[in-house]
Amino acid sequence: DQQVKQNSPSLSVQEGRISILNCDYTNSMFDYFLWYKKYPAEGPTFLISISSIKDKNEDGRFTVFLNKSAKHLSLHIVPSQPGDSAVYFCAASVGRGGADGLTFGKGTHLIIQP
Amino acid sequence: EAGVTQSPTHLIKTRGQQATLRCSPISGHTSVYWYQQALGLGLQFLLWYDEGEERNRGNFPPRFSGRQFPNYSSELNVNALELEDSALYLCASTPRMSTASNEQFFGPGTRLTVL
Repeated sequence: DQQVKQNSPSLSVQEGRISILNCDYTNSMFDYFLWYKKYPAEGPTFLISISSIKDKNEDGRFTVFLNKSAKHLSLHIVPSQPGDSAVYFCAASVGRGGADGLTFGKGTHLIIQP
Repeated sequence: EAGVTQSPTHLIKTRGQQATLRCSPISGHTSVYWYQQALGLGLQFLLWYDEGEERNRGNFPPRFSGRQFPNYSSELNVNALELEDSALYLCASTPRMSTASNEQFFGPGTRLTVL
């Protein structure tokens, strides 16, 4: 039973355009959401997070939107750059303490084309 | 500041053997998490150690175990290896539980192959 779903295994976007990565979740107890980026042969690196009390969080080129009623979040990258090519994981947790670890989606492979 | 380190990078074992994977957290971090990423799947939470104690475990059988040492480094042991244990095992660390954010800092992982 997948509680965090990323339904697009891959996404191809032209350099300079907006990349939108989507994530759905089923567990209504989740109240903290994170995005991680992973390059081959490296561990995931934290990108941006959002608490369920907010519906938007922005950090430079990265913005995460949360729609609690739809149990949906998205990551927007504007403008997309070649270095953004990586696998992006959506993750969720109950509370900030991380007692149950993070629940991850399967990832979306973002490819930025020149 | 050094990041989370894991060893070995690759490990090849045969069915029925035991595997031991090691993790050193970021200096000052007391919590260590272990995750399994099998082919085609997302990261699955395995174990959480904090201050030397196992605090929680995911939906994995008891042959997955580990420990945390006084210097907060950690070891993951997988006994009676099965073919489906072949996966990338990732370790992550966070600061002390009481002040922890949910951001976890990951190591590069250990690729375990069971033949």
